[in-house]
Amino acid sequence: QPVLTQAPSASASLGASVKLTCTLSSGHSSHAIAWHQQQAEKGPRYLMKVNSDGSQSKGDGISDRFSGSSSGAERYLTISSLHSEDEADYYCQTWGTGIWVFGGGTKLTVL
Amino acid sequence: QVQLVQSGAEVKKPGASVKVSCKASGYTFTDYGIHWVRQAPGQRLEWMGWIIAGNGNTKYSQKFQVRVTITRDTSASTVHMELSSLRSEDTAVYYCARESIGAFDMWGQGTMVTVSS
Repeated sequence: QPVLTQAPSASASLGASVKLTCTLSSGHSSHAIAWHQQQAEKGPRYLMKVNSDGSQSKGDGISDRFSGSSSGAERYLTISSLHSEDEADYYCQTWGTGIWVFGGGTKLTVL
Repeated sequence: QVQLVQSGAEVKKPGASVKVSCKASGYTFTDYGIHWVRQAPGQRLEWMGWIIAGNGNTKYSQKFQVRVTITRDTSASTVHMELSSLRSEDTAVYYCARESIGAFDMWGQGTMVTVSS
């Protein structure tokens, strides 16, 4: 079954861009993943699905500042023109045969 | 618009059971699966299981297999998750989420379950 690995933390300045990474375990590099944002004291919010070919499908109302891409077993979430409200935990999620898994999440700090 | 609205917070004693509901609206209930995910304080999201709303088939995480039951009421567009034999480590926020081709594309607001003697 797939395992997802994320860096525990990241930081970037207001107005800058940041690229978060989610790495799929060996043998699962063709899996699509989904990105979710969780602001402090709130529930998760679906951002987008990212396929192995780099194509993406965003959730309703998700800003153009959020984009996804892929390279091999890595799936990326890029946030441009960082706003203070982008400070949150970001989780990647994927699925196997009858199982769904999450990465450990990356805590993004906007400086 | 598409919404998943969950039942309110619960406080339970160790050994008891809790039943959390998730009411769907804004889409055809039987066209999607509904999953349950929990998050203990300061911890990551953890998948518990799911139900295919159309036929009622379920699949559970091995960790929760013997203690969790997910059911649905198609007439009410509602999914229920019951967790039994509660212990303090089950204190968490429980979320329902709609699945669209693998991805969770809509989340409920969460239900806090506190297990305390």
